[in-house]
Amino acid sequence: EVQLVESGGGLIQPGGSLRLSCAASGFTVSNNYMSWVRQAPGKGLEGVSFISGGGDTSYADSVRGRFTISRDNSKNTLYLQMNSLRADDTALYFCARESHYSGWNWGQGTLVTVSS
Amino acid sequence: DIQMTQSPSSLSASVGDRVTITCRASQGISDHLAWFQQKPGKAPKSLIYAASSLQGGVPSKFSGSGSGTEFTLTISSLQPEDSATYYCQHYASSPRTFGQGTKVEIK
Repeated sequence: EVQLVESGGGLIQPGGSLRLSCAASGFTVSNNYMSWVRQAPGKGLEGVSFISGGGDTSYADSVRGRFTISRDNSKNTLYLQMNSLRADDTALYFCARESHYSGWNWGQGTLVTVSS
Repeated sequence: DIQMTQSPSSLSASVGDRVTITCRASQGISDHLAWFQQKPGKAPKSLIYAASSLQGGVPSKFSGSGSGTEFTLTISSLQPEDSATYYCQHYASSPRTFGQGTKVEIK
């Protein structure tokens, strides 16, 4: 069974850093296209950062230069390093696995609150 | 970046109604489109991928169609548990982008 479990969220002051983790089971992270998606309070879904099976990465304009996506193949875990956090980064962050052949899987989300 | 435009932004329909939501891409994306259902405070749930393939475990009252730039999600017979916000997302290129969502309410 495919499972994604996010962790690492919390309350952080503006300008601070956090690292989110997404532990995967039931499939191999390095063989799949993975995404971090966030949802600010009362808003829609926003794709934040992406990594292909080949390791190509991309970012939304709003986070480029501040966030870094990576993975640890030995731990089958996806990460999102978030630096220079701002109030408008406050959101519920989800990781997702994408497959054109079997569909999507989502984690339950981890809440990031940026506030002084 | 490819822009995704959903319509309507909200709708209200009766139990048993057929409901259709449209998603348009700013450029051709072949069949690289997914649909998600989200209820308040919950993670999105995958309904459709590859424009028309039903995610495992999803009831057959949900269906998707389209290719290129225009896509639809149809709920054949609306039920109270279908009250939610529905999003489309393309995955033809990076970055992936979402439609703004369609809130479906039951009359």
